Amino acid sequence: GDSVTQMEGPVTLSEEAFLTINCTYTATGYPSLFWYVQYPGEGLQLLLKATKADDKGSNKGFEATYRKETTSFHLEKGSVQVSDSAVYFCALSERTGYSTLTFGKGTMLLVSP
Amino acid sequence: GAVVSQHPSWVICKSGTSVKIECRSLDFQATTMFWYRQFPKQSLMLMATSNEGSKATYEQGVEKDKFLINHASLTLSTLTVTSAHPEDSSFYICSAIETSGNEQFFGPGTRLTVL
Repeated sequence: GDSVTQMEGPVTLSEEAFLTINCTYTATGYPSLFWYVQYPGEGLQLLLKATKADDKGSNKGFEATYRKETTSFHLEKGSVQVSDSAVYFCALSERTGYSTLTFGKGTMLLVSP
Repeated sequence: GAVVSQHPSWVICKSGTSVKIECRSLDFQATTMFWYRQFPKQSLMLMATSNEGSKATYEQGVEKDKFLINHASLTLSTLTVTSAHPEDSSFYICSAIETSGNEQFFGPGTRLTVL
């Protein structure tokens, strides 16, 4: 079955540091890939997505590129802020019509001033 | 943007009692809603898919008599944990898909603690 593997956290960084959160996936077809963010006390929010190989999703300074050859969708940001502290979930969806999502375990990011 | 609310945000109950959790889409109509369960340091596990006006579709291993789902309107789905036990303690999250779309919008979650 489908699965998503993320690096374990917490990831602890100083403000303005470079961020990478690794995500790899296993899927039978050609899934769409997503990154969701969950701020403390809030629901999951879609951060970015990519629907086919070599697509790059980007939002709020975050980027991730759909790499079919390495089955990866790593999340990156060049300069993190304290406000980026949250839990980040990588996810995939194979079904069309509506998005049934398979999630990774989530990676907590802690950014200190 | 699309907002999904859950009520209550947390609940503590005694073993053997039933607990109802509500999921509402506040500014859009949702034909389909999903219920997830999240254990500490674990991913969100899909429990069931709830379609307005029809029976929910449960994932393998989820007891439908234990977790009753009702999607009576286009803006409300409820999850009732019946005869709750301590092992049912978890974080329950719902999501909703706008009738004309395919992106899931998530609620803030409900923390259930069964004593």
